[in-house]
Amino acid sequence: DQQVKQNSPSLSVQEGRISILNCDYTNSMFDYFLWYKKYPAEGPTFLISISSIKDKNEDGRFTVFLNKSAKHLSLHIVPSQPGDSAVYFCAARKSPGNQFYFGTGTSLTVIP
Amino acid sequence: DTEVTQTPKHLVMGMTNKKSLKCEQHMGHRAMYWYKQKAKKPPELMFVYSYEKLSINESVPSRFSPECPNSSLLNLHLHALQPEDSALYLCASSRGGGSDTQYFGPGTRLTVL
Repeated sequence: DQQVKQNSPSLSVQEGRISILNCDYTNSMFDYFLWYKKYPAEGPTFLISISSIKDKNEDGRFTVFLNKSAKHLSLHIVPSQPGDSAVYFCAARKSPGNQFYFGTGTSLTVIP
Repeated sequence: DTEVTQTPKHLVMGMTNKKSLKCEQHMGHRAMYWYKQKAKKPPELMFVYSYEKLSINESVPSRFSPECPNSSLLNLHLHALQPEDSALYLCASSRGGGSDTQYFGPGTRLTVL
């Protein structure tokens, strides 16, 4: 059973515009959420995270929003750049413990 | 420094071979993980070591055998694998504890013939 879901397998955005990637989860025990970026044949690279006690975290061009009541988080990238083209995974951690659950990924293409 | 290193980068092995994957981190992290990732799928957790002890085994077949010789090293011993075990094997580490973030290595691309 997939506890973390990314319902859009792919997204195309023009360079300079905003990219919005979405993630939904089902387990209310998740208390920490992360976004990773992945290029083919490489390991995921950590981008940004948010604790369940917050609703927003910003780091440069990347902002993550968390809506706990809706069990939904999103990653905003603005402005989008061609180098942002990659697969983005959201992940959630269940507390207590060290188990992280990953979504199925969204492939972002930023068109120059 | 948030580097996790993995060796080898690529590995081709026959079904009767024995080989090992290695992972190393020097961030003082106390939790280390093995994941398996197939194309177009999310990373799938295999094992978790916490403070050098195996804390989670996600019902992984015994042909995969993890080992944590010390807090910086994590091995995955492979024996009698099947072609369907071909995948990208990712190692990750984290501090352990609240607001934990996993840092991944580049992975080992394994092909079983």
